Amino acid sequence: GENVEQHPSTLSVQEGDSAVIKCTYSDSASNYFPWYKQELGKRPQLIIDIRSNVGEKKDQRIAVTLNKTAKHFSLHITETQPEDSAVYFCAATATDSWGKLQFGAGTQVVVTP
Amino acid sequence: EAGVAQSPRYKIIEKRQSVAFWCNPISGHATLYWYQQILGQGPKLLIQFQNNGVVDDSQLPKDRFSAERLKGVDSTLKIQPAKLEDSAVYLCASSLVASGVQNIQYFGAGTRLSVL
Repeated sequence: GENVEQHPSTLSVQEGDSAVIKCTYSDSASNYFPWYKQELGKRPQLIIDIRSNVGEKKDQRIAVTLNKTAKHFSLHITETQPEDSAVYFCAATATDSWGKLQFGAGTQVVVTP
Repeated sequence: EAGVAQSPRYKIIEKRQSVAFWCNPISGHATLYWYQQILGQGPKLLIQFQNNGVVDDSQLPKDRFSAERLKGVDSTLKIQPAKLEDSAVYLCASSLVASGVQNIQYFGAGTRLSVL
């Protein structure tokens, strides 16, 4: 089955700096890669996703890149703000299967003013 | 649109007791998922329903966990009897379909279970 590894486990950045979180996956059949943000005590919320037919996707200050050959994908947050502080989870699945998401262990991002 | 609803939000029980969680998915979503999220870890899928049928329950500890989705809408997850290691947040999620481009999963707020 799919195995997703996520690094780093914690990330501290100064407000205004960029943050990068990296994930690797094992199953070459995986073709859908969502990123979820989970604030303390709240539900995971989808912030961006990418499908394997594209290499990069941007939405305002966040972007995701995908390298299918190397089987890794990354989340980039630019101009970080205190409200970006949360745990971020990457996940992977093959959408032609039953959509079972395999999550990474999460990255605690702390943005200090 | 209304989100995924879960109840209760918190539950504290003693080991060997029973507990049940309830989930109401987003209207029209055919696929429903139950995840277990242990503190400091990512969510782990316990069981997935497509309408009222089970698609994947390979990681469900079936000796103590059970789940049902009668009429293909609401779902309940039960633990009987509970163990200390069951302490976790139980998240319910739903998606329009299981596969393809409309398989985005939306999560509920979860039930935080503490087993003493």
